[in-house]
Amino acid sequence: QQPVQSPQAVILREGEDAVINCSSSKALYSVHWYRQKHGEAPVFLMILLKGGEQKGHEKISASFNEKKQQSSLYLTASQLSYSGTYFCGTEPPAGNTPLVFGKGTRLSVIA
Amino acid sequence: DAGITQSPRHKVTETGTPVTLRCHQTENHRYMYWYRQDPGHGLRLIHYSYGVKDTDKGEVSDGYSVSRSKTEDFLLTLESATSSQTSVYFCAISVDRGNSNEQFFGPGTRLTVL
Repeated sequence: QQPVQSPQAVILREGEDAVINCSSSKALYSVHWYRQKHGEAPVFLMILLKGGEQKGHEKISASFNEKKQQSSLYLTASQLSYSGTYFCGTEPPAGNTPLVFGKGTRLSVIA
Repeated sequence: DAGITQSPRHKVTETGTPVTLRCHQTENHRYMYWYRQDPGHGLRLIHYSYGVKDTDKGEVSDGYSVSRSKTEDFLLTLESATSSQTSVYFCAISVDRGNSNEQFFGPGTRLTVL
């Protein structure tokens, strides 16, 4: 039931782009994305609802394909501040059900 | 930060002792959650609450109990701490946005069981 994130880790140079994927074996109502810096709490980035909408947050955007039960997080022109671990949390259609989180993708941006 | 605080922020205890962690919110949100975070496992749900005195188990609930006697407080108790419960514990609340719920995390409690 835990969503699968890929890649597990990625290293980028400043200005490069990256894509983080989140895949579930179950039907989904929504996908939530978080970023966590070392020693800190996860910080909410955005939520994607079923309907395939794409959302953006600064130079970070995401898409959700409910038929494939997949979501992707796009980081463009990466900055040093983007470094951290990214988690997706998935919510089934049942409603008011706790999120299930993936194991995370560690992103390191170097100068 | 959605007005979430956790206490204590750090605790070292010995195997077999009881431990209670507190999560406090200031905005009267209905849903509250306790997660533990361990390397290689991500965030795993321990227990959650959907109202005063209404709680349910998560995927890793063994060895933990919770209580919620007031909307603003959600307590996590380790009745007899074990070394396997050494972890970082995060409390979270869910904010109702109408057609979706956004979840926000507290600052975390780092627990070490010797």
